[in-house]
Amino acid sequence: DSGVTQTPKHLITATGQRVTLRCSPRSGDLSVYWYQQSLDQGLQFLIQYYNGEERAKGNILERFSAQQFPDLHSELNLSSLELGDSALYFCASSVDGPPGDTQYFGPGTRLTVL
Amino acid sequence: QKEVEQDPGPLSVPEGAIVSLNCTYSNSAFQYFMWYRQYSRKGPELLMYTYSSGNKEDGRFTAQVDKSSKYISLFIRDSQPSDSATYLCAMRGPGRRALTFGSGTRLQVQP
Repeated sequence: DSGVTQTPKHLITATGQRVTLRCSPRSGDLSVYWYQQSLDQGLQFLIQYYNGEERAKGNILERFSAQQFPDLHSELNLSSLELGDSALYFCASSVDGPPGDTQYFGPGTRLTVL
Repeated sequence: QKEVEQDPGPLSVPEGAIVSLNCTYSNSAFQYFMWYRQYSRKGPELLMYTYSSGNKEDGRFTAQVDKSSKYISLFIRDSQPSDSATYLCAMRGPGRRALTFGSGTRLQVQP
């Protein structure tokens, strides 16, 4: 168990809908990262938050947004969903202190868009 | 061309074999190198972490980094059926925390 929790485990929804994925980082970690894993693209970085502030953006679509709350949990919002958004969404956390600190991944949320 | 290339496998070996998993990369700025293990439908689990070039050993696992060749390896000794999983290499440069992953190699260890 990495200490990172994600809810829900599974989500099935229809095209055009909006969903929210939730992540709680390990105790003491200030950074949260969101990744998308699909069969054709592998694991792709979406966005990073550090202590409530957006720190880095990757291949995140404009239909997607995220935030990190004062208690450090984070939410990833996906809107106007398309079939191609079906994927595993992982949250990772790190201390983001020393240069070599590493990321620990949660169990993921499997999103299916029908 | 992808920044990180990894043979997707599957790689099938008998129990007890030595397994060699590899990644090549194109970005010479990468300095931090990791190997993650991912069981089916689970989150990636950190196995090994190395900084710059050199070797690191942890039990049955050895990670090697050759920055001059832009090539990293993970060796698994005395492989077990429980090692059957997808192995992902990941790396990043200084000042950038997000990881760039390889596509993963699926390993099957046959009992």
